[in-house]
Amino acid sequence: GQNIDQPTEMTATEGAIVQINCTYQTSGFNGLFWYQQHAGEAPTFLSYNVLDGLEEKGRFSSFLSRSKGYSYLLLKELQMKDSASYLCAVVDSNYQLIWGAGTKLIIKP
Amino acid sequence: DVKVTQSSRYLVKRTGEKVFLECVQDMDHENMFWYRQDPGLGLRLIYFSYDVKMKEKGDIPEGYSVSREKKERFSLILESASTNQTSMYLCASSPRDRENNSPLHFGNGTRLTVT
Repeated sequence: GQNIDQPTEMTATEGAIVQINCTYQTSGFNGLFWYQQHAGEAPTFLSYNVLDGLEEKGRFSSFLSRSKGYSYLLLKELQMKDSASYLCAVVDSNYQLIWGAGTKLIIKP
Repeated sequence: DVKVTQSSRYLVKRTGEKVFLECVQDMDHENMFWYRQDPGLGLRLIYFSYDVKMKEKGDIPEGYSVSREKKERFSLILESASTNQTSMYLCASSPRDRENNSPLHFGNGTRLTVT
């Protein structure tokens, strides 16, 4: 079967750094997405990785290791508005998206 | 900016009713998708469409049908609503892309309650 694992919930402090992990076991791999979803709102695109390594975009970075079936999303200088769910999704060998259940990130002052 | 609009934010329907969820996108995207989102589960694909008049079953199509008569509009139909279809329904669109590496653009969702 295909599986995406993310922690259910994480808590971090405003101004700190947090790393949200995603591990996957899928039939093939053709890329990995991270989306952010605020409560009651639409998911919005954050990043896409298809090659190994780190992609940096401002305060957010995403890392991929295809050999380990592993990705993480790194959020720096956390702000209260970063409180949201973060969804990991993998494109499998049939070019279909497989979604994780999401990680709810709680930021405390 | 791409805008994906879902006609209702909240709906309450009775068991057995026929329910229509409408979705419109304004960026001429070929691909459109309907997902449901439930607590503790990843997004689950119900149906998708790669072009007008075309439709493909996703992972959980049972109890649902879709219609795509115009490129910008993708409708989800619950033929006879049941309580286990109480959920958040998300519509999404993306441009044609064989490798599926274009991000999805989502609507704000319709929270459907079936009583």
